[in-house]
Amino acid sequence: QVQLVESGGGVVQPGGSLRLSCAASGFTFSNHGMHWVRQAPGKGLEWVAVIWHDGSDKYYVDSVKGRFTISRDNSKNTVYLQMDSLRVEDTAVYYCAKDPRIKAARFPPDYWGPGTLVTVSP
Amino acid sequence: QSALTQPASVSGSPGQSITISCTGSNSDIGGYRYVSWYQQLPGKAPKVIIYEVTHRPSGVSDRFSASKSGNTASLTISGLQTEDEADYYCSSYTSLNISVLFGGGTKLTVL
Repeated sequence: QVQLVESGGGVVQPGGSLRLSCAASGFTFSNHGMHWVRQAPGKGLEWVAVIWHDGSDKYYVDSVKGRFTISRDNSKNTVYLQMDSLRVEDTAVYYCAKDPRIKAARFPPDYWGPGTLVTVSP
Repeated sequence: QSALTQPASVSGSPGQSITISCTGSNSDIGGYRYVSWYQQLPGKAPKVIIYEVTHRPSGVSDRFSASKSGNTASLTISGLQTEDEADYYCSSYTSLNISVLFGGGTKLTVL
């Protein structure tokens, strides 16, 4: 069965950096785009970034452009989110999620990990 | 403000039916059949309960059904049960840019 497990969250000061990882199993990882979606405490879901199945294209929500970088290692079945210049408003649970279509990456995700909490606090 | 509009809350009694709406535009819900619905229980990750407008994944109760008319998608839960109390989110493909749209979420209270 499909499993996604995020790691790397924690507490960081404003301006700091964190790298999130998401280990995938149970499907052909190299065939699917992968998303990061976040949820601030008590708030709704916000799409953050997506990477194509082969890493050839990456897109971001405007609020993180230039600060966050999504990447993947298909040999390790892992997707990453490098977060730099963190702000208090980046505080959220970060979920990685699988795109349902093969070799596409623009569709509502079908599987989600349990999430990892990122807290940005002075 | 979310790109897709959902009511903030709905409520119903056990056994009743409720419907949650999700309104977008011609560039997303109205133009394509890539609408999903998610159930998020407290402290848990979202779980897909509907994909491609009307399809239910295996293992999801047939009490959950969905449809689309114009720019609005709808999720109906029939025979409400206390365990249905959760947040529900809609999501859609968009042709305007490379992203995925989410609704603001609807809190379902089973009275």
